Amino acid sequence: DGGITQSPKYLFRKEGQNVTLSCEQNLNHDAMYWYRQDPGQGLRLIYYSQIVNDFQKGDIAEGYSVSREKKESFPLTVTSAQKNPTAFYLCASSSRTGNRYGYTFGSGTRLTVV
Amino acid sequence: AQTVTQSQPEMSVQEAETVTLSCTYDTSESDYYLFWYKQPPSRQMILVIRQEAYKQQNATENRFSVNFQKAAKSFSLKISDSQLGDAAMYFCAYRSTLIYNQGGKLIFGQGTELSVKP
Repeated sequence: DGGITQSPKYLFRKEGQNVTLSCEQNLNHDAMYWYRQDPGQGLRLIYYSQIVNDFQKGDIAEGYSVSREKKESFPLTVTSAQKNPTAFYLCASSSRTGNRYGYTFGSGTRLTVV
Repeated sequence: AQTVTQSQPEMSVQEAETVTLSCTYDTSESDYYLFWYKQPPSRQMILVIRQEAYKQQNATENRFSVNFQKAAKSFSLKISDSQLGDAAMYFCAYRSTLIYNQGGKLIFGQGTELSVKP
């Protein structure tokens, strides 16, 4: 079955550490997105990529980095520069030409700073 | 820039009753897509219903329907015959038809937490 896989489901980070969240899709979607979810704030866009080897900052990119070396993969690194990284992170993908179809979402990663 | 507002942080409905969740948005575009997503306790985001702005007819999916008022920029979700499994966070979202508008990103409202009483 096609879908998006996020791992790990739960992640704990010590102060000053970088951590990487994995996102893999087998839907043959061109576009991929990372969102952060905090209580009462909905989902906010961190980074997006419309094509391999290209990505753009979203609304809250500071303290995060991404890569898109393969169509199937769009990992997110939360760096030590991110001051408040504890949140729920959602990865999504979309057919580049299918705006009307919305997104397919992964099951999310809960990141906690300890 | 487009914005989406859900003014009801929490709603409650009795099982088998009908509930309406509100959503308003702001845009200068004439053509766009609107969505309602459901996020149950598992936190998996599930597409509930979609509306294309150029269509005057309101979308319907089984017990879920929308009231799309383009002039008022309003997009409410009606859930009929509410079931315990409908309890979830519901998000309204906007998407431009301009594919190069920030990669066709979805812009989300803050969410409405729906509880269903047995």
